[in-house]
Amino acid sequence: GIQVEQSPPDLILQEGANSTLRCNFSDSVNNLQWFHQNPWGQLINLFYIPSGTKQNGRLSATTVATERYSLLYISSSQTTYSGVYFCAVERRGGGADGLTFGKGTHLIIQP
Amino acid sequence: NAGVTQTPKFRILKIGQSMTLQCTQDMNHNYMYWYRQDPGMGLKLIYYSVGAGITDKGEVPNGYNVSRSTTEDFPLRLELAAPSQTSVYFCASRIDSSNQPQHFGDGTRLSIL
Repeated sequence: GIQVEQSPPDLILQEGANSTLRCNFSDSVNNLQWFHQNPWGQLINLFYIPSGTKQNGRLSATTVATERYSLLYISSSQTTYSGVYFCAVERRGGGADGLTFGKGTHLIIQP
Repeated sequence: NAGVTQTPKFRILKIGQSMTLQCTQDMNHNYMYWYRQDPGMGLKLIYYSVGAGITDKGEVPNGYNVSRSTTEDFPLRLELAAPSQTSVYFCASRIDSSNQPQHFGDGTRLSIL
C-alpha cells in the first residue's frame, strides 16, 4: 500500500514562531487532507489539498503532487495550535480504499 | 446539519463482552468508513461501505463486523471484546468516489478491561 511519512515527529516552539510540517507519500494520490487533532481527541479537517496551494488564516498548505509531498505552514503560532497534525492520503485509482494516515507531528506551542 | 455523529463517546467493556458503536450521517453521503487510532499512531481503516448493502474490509478488520442497511447508518460491532481492541474509533463519510474530502465524527473512546 501507499506509504506516508511525516516530519518532524515532534516540534516545540514559542508562541509567535513560524513552522513548516512536511508530508511525503509514495504513490500518486487523488485525495490529501491535513488534520489537527486537538487535546480532546477531535480531528479537525484543515485542508483538502490533493494539489496546489490553499490558505486559511494563519495556516496554509501546498501540495506538489508530481514530487509527492505536501507542506503545512503555520505562521505566528498560538498556544491553541498545539496538538497533533496528521497528513492523510488516498491512492489514485484506489476506489473507496479510505485514507492512509501518517504518524503525525506532535506540536507544542509554549507561551 | 449535524454531520457525522458517533455514539457513545466513551465506553468501558469487560473482556468477552459485545457492543455496537453507532455512526450516522445526515449529508446523504454514499461512502462511509470506520477507522481505529491506537495511542501515538495515525488512524487505520477497519471497514468501509460504498452504499447501502455493500461493505468491504480495510486494513485491520479482524474482530469486527459491519452492516449498512441505510444510507445514513453504518454501525460497527465487536462480538468478543479483547484488550487489543482498546482504541479510539472514528467514523467518516464522503459523498462518493469523486474528489471530495472525508468528514469525520468526534470518535468513540473504548477501553477493554
